[in-house]
Amino acid sequence: SSELTQDPAVSVALGQTVRITCQGDSLRSYYASWYQQKPGQAPVLVIYGKNNRPSGIPDRFSGSSSGNTASLTITGAQAEDEADYYCNSRDSSGNHRGVFGGGTKLTVL
Amino acid sequence: QVQLQESGPGLVKPSGTLSLTCAVSGGSISSSNWWSWVRQPPGKGLEWIGEIYHSGSTNYNPSLKSRVTISVDKSKNQFSLKLSSVTAADTAVYYCARDQGAAGTRVYYFDYWGQGTLVTVSS
Repeated sequence: SSELTQDPAVSVALGQTVRITCQGDSLRSYYASWYQQKPGQAPVLVIYGKNNRPSGIPDRFSGSSSGNTASLTITGAQAEDEADYYCNSRDSSGNHRGVFGGGTKLTVL
Repeated sequence: QVQLQESGPGLVKPSGTLSLTCAVSGGSISSSNWWSWVRQPPGKGLEWIGEIYHSGSTNYNPSLKSRVTISVDKSKNQFSLKLSSVTAADTAVYYCARDQGAAGTRVYYFDYWGQGTLVTVSS
């Protein structure tokens, strides 16, 4: 399959830990990358590769992967983390297509 | 710091052709990167459209392949998107982005994005 599946919405209490997951067969061949998108803004890369953060991304963001599931974990969620989160990888069926998950709306309570 | 800037008409008539350009600054389009177009319909998720390498090699989303052409102009350090036979379903914010991830590795991601440009398909 070339699709990536995410839960549409997740909520977390301020300061608590939340995990956002992404499932798809392509994740057995490619690491997921994760993007944060706030209203009216372009996506921002937060995690790539095995578990790498671009410069400027807080260390409360981390990534992991097992089998066909990738996870983005926010440890100690802050109000400013409220956003849409998208996972991404390449289609592993050979057509080199980029694939995005449907996105997860994170609400910080 | 690499910067990408989309430009093009914000309104296209149905059955017409959408044309956008992404200007790259702070880096060379001839670097060892692919360059992508991604779109987002209002209130919906991200959709990868396709990508190009400075050699002119391309990969396209099979769902759009029959209507999409991506080209590169190395002299202007920019790349372009053409989407033909547009309908209201093509109304979206269009982003250009830089790919990272060498062939044969498990790594693939977009590290730089343009701010996006809204294209509306309407008569």
